[in-house]
Amino acid sequence: DSGVTQTPKHLITATGQRVTLRCSPRSGDLSVYWYQQSLDQGLQFLIQYYNGEERAKGNILERFSAQQFPDLHSELNLSSLELGDSALYFCASSVRPHLDRASEAFFGQGTRLTVV
Amino acid sequence: LAKTTQPISMDSYEGQEVNITCSHNNIATNDYITWYQQFPSQGPRFIIQGYKTKVTNEVASLFIPADRKSSTLSLPRVSLSDTAVYYCLVGDANQAGTALIFGKGTTLSVSS
Repeated sequence: DSGVTQTPKHLITATGQRVTLRCSPRSGDLSVYWYQQSLDQGLQFLIQYYNGEERAKGNILERFSAQQFPDLHSELNLSSLELGDSALYFCASSVRPHLDRASEAFFGQGTRLTVV
Repeated sequence: LAKTTQPISMDSYEGQEVNITCSHNNIATNDYITWYQQFPSQGPRFIIQGYKTKVTNEVASLFIPADRKSSTLSLPRVSLSDTAVYYCLVGDANQAGTALIFGKGTTLSVSS
């Protein structure tokens, strides 16, 4: 158990809908990363937050948005869902805003999103 | 951002030592080399990280030559449970996000 909690574990929804994925980082971790993993695209970095502020942005679509709340949990909002958005969505957390020898990233078990 | 190249797949048998090499020809001075392991339908898990020479922990060893243009993850005496995807990441610890860009990884299959 990495200490990172993601909910829900599974989500099935229809095209055009909007969903929210939730991530609770490990206790004490201030940095949260979101990733999308699909069979054809591999593990894609979406966005990173540190202590409530956006820190880095990767290949995140405009239909997707995220935020980190004062209690440090994070939510990833996916809207106008398309079939191609079906994937595993992972959240990771770390202590510092960047990674070094003292700050590895811990990943949650992921949320499997299926868009039908 | 240093690009990494790894073999797509490798096969091994239980009890053998497995070495997975990652090429990163344009590695920058501040870049660290980090390896993660991912089992199917699970999140990646940190294995080992290094900057130069050799690093060893209870799971693996990481060999980095003097020019740092490549690195080799060594898994001693693999078992069936080591079947997974192994990712090599190279990034600057001081630049947010760059240290967590995953490539395609190497799928290691261990047979009995």
